[in-house]
Amino acid sequence: DAKTTQPPSMDCAEGRAANLPCNHSTISGNEYVYWYRQIHSQGPQYIIHGLKNNETNEMASLIITEDRKSSTLILPHATLRDTAVYYCSVEWAGGTSYGKLTFGQGTILTVHP
Amino acid sequence: EAGVTQFPSHSVIEKGQTVTLRCDPISGHDNLYWYRRVMGKEIKFLLHFVKESKQDESGMPNNRFLAERTGGTYSTLKVQPAELEDSGVYFCASSQLTRLNTEAFFGQGTRLTVV
Repeated sequence: DAKTTQPPSMDCAEGRAANLPCNHSTISGNEYVYWYRQIHSQGPQYIIHGLKNNETNEMASLIITEDRKSSTLILPHATLRDTAVYYCSVEWAGGTSYGKLTFGQGTILTVHP
Repeated sequence: EAGVTQFPSHSVIEKGQTVTLRCDPISGHDNLYWYRRVMGKEIKFLLHFVKESKQDESGMPNNRFLAERTGGTYSTLKVQPAELEDSGVYFCASSQLTRLNTEAFFGQGTRLTVV
């Protein structure tokens, strides 16, 4: 399984963009990059995912480098409610183990006023 | 629409006892996953059901853990006998039966404490 590495913590001012990096240098061709977050003691919450192209939804944008070895999750206007642990994960999209998420330590994002 | 629900939310048991965790996935979701986080560690995959069949149980730590999904609806995860190192938060997730572009919906988790 591909491994992911993320910075342990980051700070962001409310209203500013939060850019969370993730390295996944051993990702294989058919593995997607997924981002989830965990707010306090809740279960992980899906944010966004992508394969090769950049993606955007109502929550965030995902920028994947051309070599796919790293990606950045962008929260365009962070709010205090975005304070959470953010996980970058890779998902095997083929074979029998599809949907199996591999979580790393995650990044604790703290949004401050 | 109800999300993924897990029961109980907390469980405290003594070493050697048996505990059964339950997960009710979102209706119509054929994929069901169990994960857990033990203290200070990462969230780890345990197993994956497709309907009532075990698709991948490579993450199950040992034979003290038994997962079932009768009828392809809710799932149970039994730990028997429980050991101290089984303490942690057990998450269940479900997704639709498509191989690609699936987002998983997680439950709130069951916090298991073995004393």
